[in-house]
Amino acid sequence: QVQLRESGPGLVKPSETLSLTCTVSRGSISSHYWSWIRQPPGKGLEWIGYVYYSGTSNYNPSLESRVTISLDTPKNQFSLKLSYVTAADTAVYYCASADYYDSGDYHLLYFQHWGQGTLVTVSS
Amino acid sequence: QSLLTQPPSASGTPGQRVIISCSGSSSNIGSNTANWYQQVPGAAPKLLIYTDNQRPSGVPDRFSGSKSGTSASLAISGLHSDDEADYYCATWDASLNGPVFGGGTKLTV
Repeated sequence: QVQLRESGPGLVKPSETLSLTCTVSRGSISSHYWSWIRQPPGKGLEWIGYVYYSGTSNYNPSLESRVTISLDTPKNQFSLKLSYVTAADTAVYYCASADYYDSGDYHLLYFQHWGQGTLVTVSS
Repeated sequence: QSLLTQPPSASGTPGQRVIISCSGSSSNIGSNTANWYQQVPGAAPKLLIYTDNQRPSGVPDRFSGSKSGTSASLAISGLHSDDEADYYCATWDASLNGPVFGGGTKLTV
């Protein structure tokens, strides 16, 4: 089955850009919706956004002005960039693959495979 | 404040049946399919139920999902000690134009 692994700095300074990469193995990036989800310490899950292999992307409106998710198809990777970070962006960041279907009447989306997660702390 | 409301905690004894609720609105659960995730301490979430009541391969049939109107439920029968985890409901929300998670329910066995 698809395996995902996050990588990137564990410490980012306030006002700088958080950059993470997710490497996909045992599966092709030319399918599914590739997503980022985060979880602040002791809190619940928050969807950040996703990108489809066609280039279509969708972001959480609360983060949209600061987020970019992009694909690197030859490397079977996708990445997250979150700019102008503050302490409120401290969280475990998960990458995940999603299955998504839009019938026009309803949306079906679930996160089938998850990476192990990586803690990113925003601090000077 | 999440768009999906779950009780913060639930509990049961081994062998019992527990039901966790997830309350939403017409813009999310009422018009889209619901999913459930299990997160044991220190681990990533795991898909438990998708499309209201479907179990991925490998998930025991002790776990079942249902939906009625703007609410969804997760039932766990024959509780095991290793069912102790946080459980999250999730669905698509029209106002967000994306997926939303409930606040999570911590299950103690």
